Amino acid sequence: EAQVTQNPRYLITVTGKKLTVTCSQNMNHEYMSWYRQDPGLGLRQIYYSMNVEVTDKGDVPEGYKVSRKEKRNFPLILESPSPNQTSLYFCATGGNTEAFFGQGTRLTVV
Amino acid sequence: GQNIDQPTEMTATEGAIVQINCTYQTSGFNGLFWYQQHAGEAPTFLSYNVLDGLEEKGRFSSFLSRSKGYSYLLLKELQMKDSASYLCAVRGSTDKLIFGTGTRLQVFP
Repeated sequence: EAQVTQNPRYLITVTGKKLTVTCSQNMNHEYMSWYRQDPGLGLRQIYYSMNVEVTDKGDVPEGYKVSRKEKRNFPLILESPSPNQTSLYFCATGGNTEAFFGQGTRLTVV
Repeated sequence: GQNIDQPTEMTATEGAIVQINCTYQTSGFNGLFWYQQHAGEAPTFLSYNVLDGLEEKGRFSSFLSRSKGYSYLLLKELQMKDSASYLCAVRGSTDKLIFGTGTRLQVFP
């Protein structure tokens, strides 16, 4: 079954404590992306990757890092989380005519 | 700049037909997507248009006019479970997907 798997689903953390949200896909897609979703703002792209070792900033990259060492994995790293990064995060992958989303990670930074 | 506009909210009655419009201005165009998203859940893919015209998939249809920068999603025979947000997204020249803020549809009995 085609899947995009994110972990964890829910996370509460404190300001400044580094965290990583993992994303893995089993569809062999080259394109992967991270979004955050906030009320009234819709889905905003954080980073995307067109292939292994190729990553680019999206619309809201500040405070985030990503890596793409292998095709299936695209982790999102928050080196020093702040309360304004409290949000719902989605990883996505896609071919030419479809895009698939992970289940989402609800992050709260206190 | 790049912009995608959709109505914020719509309401409709069970069994009716509803049309959700989307207008866009983007740098390049490589396809338009519609997604359904229930509260707190991941968006799920509904349709993809890259050529002008209507694409029909069961109760859902999507229309595209590239010259007008316009698309709509048509939902027929509405059911209560269709209450959700509907997201319009455009793939621009860099293959990035740009999302609108979504249209929240409420279906009443």
